[in-house]
Amino acid sequence: DAGVTQSPTHLIKTRGQQVTLRCSPKSGHDTVSWYQQALGQGPQFIFQYYEEEERQRGNFPDRFSGHQFPNYSSELNVNALLLGDSALYLCASSLVGDGAGRVFGSGTRLTVV
Amino acid sequence: GENVEQHPSTLSVQEGDSAVIKCTYSDSASNYFPWYKQELGKGPQLIIDIRSNVGEKKDQRIAVTLNKTAKHFSLHITETQPEDSAVYFCAASTGGGSARQLTFGSGTQLTVLP
Repeated sequence: DAGVTQSPTHLIKTRGQQVTLRCSPKSGHDTVSWYQQALGQGPQFIFQYYEEEERQRGNFPDRFSGHQFPNYSSELNVNALLLGDSALYLCASSLVGDGAGRVFGSGTRLTVV
Repeated sequence: GENVEQHPSTLSVQEGDSAVIKCTYSDSASNYFPWYKQELGKGPQLIIDIRSNVGEKKDQRIAVTLNKTAKHFSLHITETQPEDSAVYFCAASTGGGSARQLTFGSGTQLTVLP
């Protein structure tokens, strides 16, 4: 049974560009959350999607946006990239009502130059 | 919002010794406290969790204790093995179900020396 799949694994972008990261949740999961993990830090919550809508949002600017598709997969979009956006972006999936069953993917390493 | 502090940031122990990592949280409404292990190149993996209505939980060599009054919780690993070497994160959250959005500590790099 595949867990959470994220693509790409690594990405290099230039300041000012836009980026899209993708996440396929674990089979049977319907909720996707995104986290940003800067080097040497713990993950920080960006937002959560359920039933194709953003349900909760952390303290991130509007440059960060997302989408959830009918098959529960999700995308994270970041516009006008800044050097400070360089981080590991983690996707976590869960089944609604079972946040404790949250499973993380291995992440996408984004480097902004 | 919630703030979670984690100590120490690095910890080295001899194989077979015990390791203890401590966290404090600020929001008295927090009711769920998971611990994650993150190996290089991988995402965080849940190793144990505890809810606010329980003071201690154990799973083989791993145990977690919670002191709600003092707002701190700890991870205890006994009989450490080299494969326990990784970064460990504590986290706290309020709410239930998928509303349990996590606030993480800054992590502890545990090294088990053979």
